[in-house]
Amino acid sequence: AQKITQTQPGMFVQEKEAVTLDCTYDTSDPSYGLFWYKQPSSGEMIFLIYQGSYDQQNATEGRYSLNFQKARKSANLVISASQLGDSAMYFCAMREPPGMDSSYKLIFGSGTRLLVRP
Amino acid sequence: EAGVTQFPSHSVIEKGQTVTLRCDPISGHDNLYWYRRVMGKEIKFLLHFVKESKQDESGMPNNRFLAERTGGTYSTLKVQPAELEDSGVYFCASSLLAGASTDTQYFGPGTRLTVL
Repeated sequence: AQKITQTQPGMFVQEKEAVTLDCTYDTSDPSYGLFWYKQPSSGEMIFLIYQGSYDQQNATEGRYSLNFQKARKSANLVISASQLGDSAMYFCAMREPPGMDSSYKLIFGSGTRLLVRP
Repeated sequence: EAGVTQFPSHSVIEKGQTVTLRCDPISGHDNLYWYRRVMGKEIKFLLHFVKESKQDESGMPNNRFLAERTGGTYSTLKVQPAELEDSGVYFCASSLLAGASTDTQYFGPGTRLTVL
């Protein structure tokens, strides 16, 4: 069964430093998509970055980049030059092609709480 | 362009009562999803609409939950009667092209439901 694992329940990083949030996934399908979402204390889920399983290059969006290692089934999020506003919960999620249930649902990890220290 | 909106932001009800949550997707998004996160657990899929049709409702926990999307615009999720274990945050998301590999689900702010 498909699964997303985030092994870091909480992390600290000093302001202006880079931080890596880990995500590993398990799937038997060769076609899938990986997503990272940020959830600040206000509660909304903000889409950050997407990586497709067939993408040749690692995805980047501003200060966010995804370290995609397909053979290891990992999709770690790297935040460069951390800012105080980066303090939030971060969720890794995976979407597979629809199976019998025709669903495009996302499977989420348990999240990592990041705290940026001034 | 307005994002996904949800109403109410918080709801506190007693066990046995009924609650209805509402979600307005991004305009033009045919795909609408409901998820929930109960305390201490992962965010779990509940169901997926394509326009007004239920594409997948495999995540609905039981028949106390009823989701509708009349007219293919906004959606409601009714819990009747509510139980203590229904407490959590209910998220709605919408997307434009569910079949596209790069299709992204955009989430609303969630409704925090507390059942006493």
